[in-house]
Amino acid sequence: NAGVTQTPKFRILKIGQSMTLQCTQDMNHNYMYWYRQDPGMGLKLIYYSVGAGITDKGEVPNGYNVSRSTTEDFPLRLELAAPSQTSVYFCASKAGDFYGYTFGSGTRLTVV
Amino acid sequence: GQQLNQSPQSMFIQEGEDVSMNCTSSSIFNTWLWYKQDPGEGPVLLIALYKAGELTSNGRLTAQFGITRKDSFLNISASIPSDVGIYFCAGQRRDSNYQLIWGAGTKLIIKP
Repeated sequence: NAGVTQTPKFRILKIGQSMTLQCTQDMNHNYMYWYRQDPGMGLKLIYYSVGAGITDKGEVPNGYNVSRSTTEDFPLRLELAAPSQTSVYFCASKAGDFYGYTFGSGTRLTVV
Repeated sequence: GQQLNQSPQSMFIQEGEDVSMNCTSSSIFNTWLWYKQDPGEGPVLLIALYKAGELTSNGRLTAQFGITRKDSFLNISASIPSDVGIYFCAGQRRDSNYQLIWGAGTKLIIKP
């Protein structure tokens, strides 16, 4: 019973590099989300998707891109990494409107 | 972005004490959720509340959906060391496509 799986768990990037954070869920959830959590803070929504082929911006989308070609996968792309993107990134999914979110265990990203 | 007002920001308590924290907002919500986050992990759903006035328990945890729909509280009875962590409230609103709006968290520390 895997739930939401994120890879990698840790990554160090140099300024200007690019990378993709992977997120996959095996619960057949339509809704998927990407959040970032800065130290001592709550979660901020980057992008979300309500189903395959549909994505939309959240509160802090600049510097990121997403795609949703399948129900299971929702990768987050960082282009031209900046120190301000140092954070812990969480992927989450839910079955429908009234349901709580299930979170992955996070990807800790440091940009130097 | 909009955040819920969660208090207290942190709590230092003795093992065995009861704990109470709350979230308030100027807006009404259709759903209130309480999550716990352990270090290095993603948030885990503790309790979900769906109706104004609803009182729901999960073991030693009890949460209530305020009658005005603008607040919620979480109580933990007889705290134990594994209760340590950060507790987040989150609300969902029908007119925001049920995206989660988060409190800033309450950090619970138990004195030995």
